[in-house]
Amino acid sequence: DIQMTQSPSSLSASVGDRVTITCQASQDISNYLNWYQQKPGKAPKLLIYDASHLQTGVPSRFSGSGSGTDFTFTISSLQPEDIATYYCQQYDVLLTFGQGTRLEIK
Amino acid sequence: QVQLQESGPGLVKPSETLSLTCIVSGGSISDYYWSWIRQAPGKGLEWIGYVSFSGSTTYNPSLKSRVTISVDTSKNQFSLRLTSVTAADTAVYHCAGDTMSSTGYLFDYWGQGTQVTVSS
Repeated sequence: DIQMTQSPSSLSASVGDRVTITCQASQDISNYLNWYQQKPGKAPKLLIYDASHLQTGVPSRFSGSGSGTDFTFTISSLQPEDIATYYCQQYDVLLTFGQGTRLEIK
Repeated sequence: QVQLQESGPGLVKPSETLSLTCIVSGGSISDYYWSWIRQAPGKGLEWIGYVSFSGSTTYNPSLKSRVTISVDTSKNQFSLRLTSVTAADTAVYHCAGDTMSSTGYLFDYWGQGTQVTVSS
């Protein structure tokens, strides 16, 4: 099984801050990595696919980068509506999700 | 615009079978990949498995012995059966669709989710 380790597990930031979440795979997964946003009580929403491609309709303040085992998800300027839990997901070998990062407003 | 809606019992007894259905609207179920994903209380996301447009299936190895996912193209819906449930199967169950990739593992459409509790 491929393990996905996200960090931090939670973070608090101010509106306008640059926020970065990392995801590390237990083995090389090339760019087979997606990022999702889940707001409380809602279904997850696809934000980034194939490590760095922005899903249609997603604001450009969201971005992703990385390949191999190390990946980064960034919000360039945090907005109040970005409060959510963020998950990475690999799909190189079947699929697994990271444990999630809970983002709060400071 | 594809929409997904789960339905099924909210309460299942231990050792019994959990059965859920996901109705797909706004698109043909015969064109894409369809998955079930669950989220236990306070936990992260766990992929259960998918059924493809051709009817082939792939399951999470940790659940494979208890899971069946099937598709009914005449009703544009797909279903989940999970046998021999325990309290550990208590979760919100989401259906999800991959209409973008050829892998079945990119979830661009999701149902709202349905709570299933396993309890006597």
